[in-house]
Amino acid sequence: GAVVSQHPSRVICKSGTSVKIECRSLDFQATTMFWYRQFPKQSLMLMATSNEGSKATYEQGVEKDKFLINHASLTLSTLTVTSAHPEDSSFYICSAFGPVSNTEAFFGQGTRLTVV
Amino acid sequence: GNSVTQMEGPVTLSEEAFLTINCTYTATGYPSLFWYVQYPGEGLQLLLKATKADDKGSNKGFEATYRKETTSFHLEKGSVQVSDSAVYFCALSLNNKLIFGAGTRLAVHP
Repeated sequence: GAVVSQHPSRVICKSGTSVKIECRSLDFQATTMFWYRQFPKQSLMLMATSNEGSKATYEQGVEKDKFLINHASLTLSTLTVTSAHPEDSSFYICSAFGPVSNTEAFFGQGTRLTVV
Repeated sequence: GNSVTQMEGPVTLSEEAFLTINCTYTATGYPSLFWYVQYPGEGLQLLLKATKADDKGSNKGFEATYRKETTSFHLEKGSVQVSDSAVYFCALSLNNKLIFGAGTRLAVHP
């Protein structure tokens, strides 16, 4: 199946700094990618939909200035957590619909962000 | 709106026991339905899917049937293994968005 690669898998940063997370579709082009946040022992919360060549669409309650999304190419979307605080510590996961249809999504491995 | 409801966990079973995890959905339209599995510290992997009513998805001994009349997509496995311990998410896809249930943690003991 299609492969979505996410990097880094773990990152620890100091409060006030910014962190960039990359999401790549390795063997297919993805015009749309999705960013999720997962709190411990909870489900995935859709944060935003990343559209290649245009602005991301954010879900209600998600700060667009806090979580900057850039989808500069058909294989790469980035999520930048700006001025990170401890409450931003979480597991972030990206996904993209596969090359065959838009009914099956493929997920990255996730990024564990810890802000100290 | 569109939503997915799945049974709360954790579900604790002995090896070789029968597994059922209930999932029901609400959707304005005709969604595709999925079960995803998440192993500790990892992202999600697609376990199985069904794209229309009465379809049965199956993989690795797991099965789920798309029941339009009861708006359900229950996950079953006849004989679980310790390696099946994970969190299972039911999801629906509609209008290019995936909506997840809360997840059900399964713990299988030898």
